[in-house]
Amino acid sequence: ELQLVESGGGLVQPGGSLRLSCAASGFTFSSYEMNWVRQAPGKGLEWISYISRSGSNIYYADSVKGRFTISRDNARNSLFLQMNSLRAEDTAVYYCARKTFDLVGYMDVWGKGTTVTVSS
Amino acid sequence: DIQMTQSPSTLSTSVGDRVTITCRASQTISVWLAWYQQKPGKAPKLLIYKASTLESGVPSRFSGRGSGTEFTLTISSLQPDDFATYYCLQYNSYLYTFGQGTKLEIK
Repeated sequence: ELQLVESGGGLVQPGGSLRLSCAASGFTFSSYEMNWVRQAPGKGLEWISYISRSGSNIYYADSVKGRFTISRDNARNSLFLQMNSLRAEDTAVYYCARKTFDLVGYMDVWGKGTTVTVSS
Repeated sequence: DIQMTQSPSTLSTSVGDRVTITCRASQTISVWLAWYQQKPGKAPKLLIYKASTLESGVPSRFSGRGSGTEFTLTISSLQPDDFATYYCLQYNSYLYTFGQGTKLEIK
């Protein structure tokens, strides 16, 4: 069964840091590009970061550029999101999502999400 | 960056209604558009990709059309399970963009 399981969410103070993880199973993780998508309470979906299969190509949304770092460990079938300088507006459910194998691909497999709350 | 404008934001509908949701891209994205359904507390579920290709297992009452900058998602006869929020996603660029979402409410 294709599965993505996020972890690492929690309550953190403004200015703090948090590292999210996403464990993949049921497919060859190293063959797929991956993304992080978030959803603030009561709001829509926001793509925030992409990483290529090898990790050599990375993109960020402007809202997190310079504060968040995406990475992956193909040997451990894991995706990560290091979040620094957190702000109240980063409060959201964070999803990891697999990009399809196509050159031009959409997100086809999603985790259930992990909740990050930034508050003092 | 490519902006996606989705409308309407909310739609009050009834079971059996035909529903159409529109997404407009700020620049051409060819057919690189997907549609997702999301229910409260759940991850998005893929419905349609490449503007009009139905994902396996998705009921045929869902259909998608469009290319370039204008796209539609149509539900031919709304079922009780379809009351949810729908999002479009452009994937023409690695800087993905979602539409703002359309919430289908029971009239």
